[in-house]
Amino acid sequence: GESVGLHLPTLSVQEGDNSIINCAYSNSASDYFIWYKQESGKGPQFIIDIRSNMDKRQGKRVTVLLNKTVKHLSLQIAATQPGDSAVYFCAETNAGGTSYGKLTFGQGTILTVHP
Amino acid sequence: KAGVTQTPRYLIKTRGQQVTLSCSPISGHRSVSWYQQTPGQGLQFLFEYFSETQRNKGNFPGRFSGRQFSNSRSEMNVSTLELGDSALYLCASSLGVTGTSGSTDTQYFGPGTRLTVL
Repeated sequence: GESVGLHLPTLSVQEGDNSIINCAYSNSASDYFIWYKQESGKGPQFIIDIRSNMDKRQGKRVTVLLNKTVKHLSLQIAATQPGDSAVYFCAETNAGGTSYGKLTFGQGTILTVHP
Repeated sequence: KAGVTQTPRYLIKTRGQQVTLSCSPISGHRSVSWYQQTPGQGLQFLFEYFSETQRNKGNFPGRFSGRQFSNSRSEMNVSTLELGDSALYLCASSLGVTGTSGSTDTQYFGPGTRLTVL
C-alpha cells in the first residue's frame, strides 16, 4: 500500500539571515533538551543542549530558548550559511533517576539556505 | 577521538530473514541506544544498553532485540524481517551517567545502517 510520510515543516532563508526553528515538546516532565542537525546520508549531529532549569543557552552562532510554560523550544541560528542546510530535530528526555538514554524526537524541520 | 561507528552501512535482506547490526561507541562511553528512522514515523527509540544490561526499552515488537558486550560494543538483531522494517537504524553512545548524578548526558550518533527489506 502507499506509505504516508511525515510532512516536515520547511524554512527557507537567504545566506546571512538569522533562522529560527521551533519545536513543541510533549512531556512536561522532560528535564533535558537537545537540538540535532542531520545532513543527508548522515546521523544526527549534536548542536546544543539545555536543561530545564535554564531558559536560554548560547553557543557559537546558535541559541536555544526554552519556555516550559507552553512546552516550547526554539533554535536560533545567526548569520545562516549554506552549510547549515539540513534537517533539524529537537529531542527531549527525562532521566527520572535512571538515565538520559531514551530520547523522544520531534518530527524535524527542513532548513534550506540559499546563497 | 573516534566517533560512533556502525557496520554495515548498507544492507539488503528479504522478508523472513534476520539481520544483525553492529555499533562501536565512542571510547569511554558505556551507554548505547538504538533508534529507527523512517519517513513515516521519524526517529523512534528502540532500546538502551548499559553495562551489558538493557536499561530502557521502546515500543517495538519482540522481533527487535539487542545486546551489549563487556567492551560496550552493541549489536541489535531483527528477526523475521518485514517490509516495514526498512529504515535507517541509528546507534548513539553516551557516558551513561544517571539523572541522580546531577549532570546531563549527551548522546552522539553514528552514521547509521540503511536496511532495505525486499
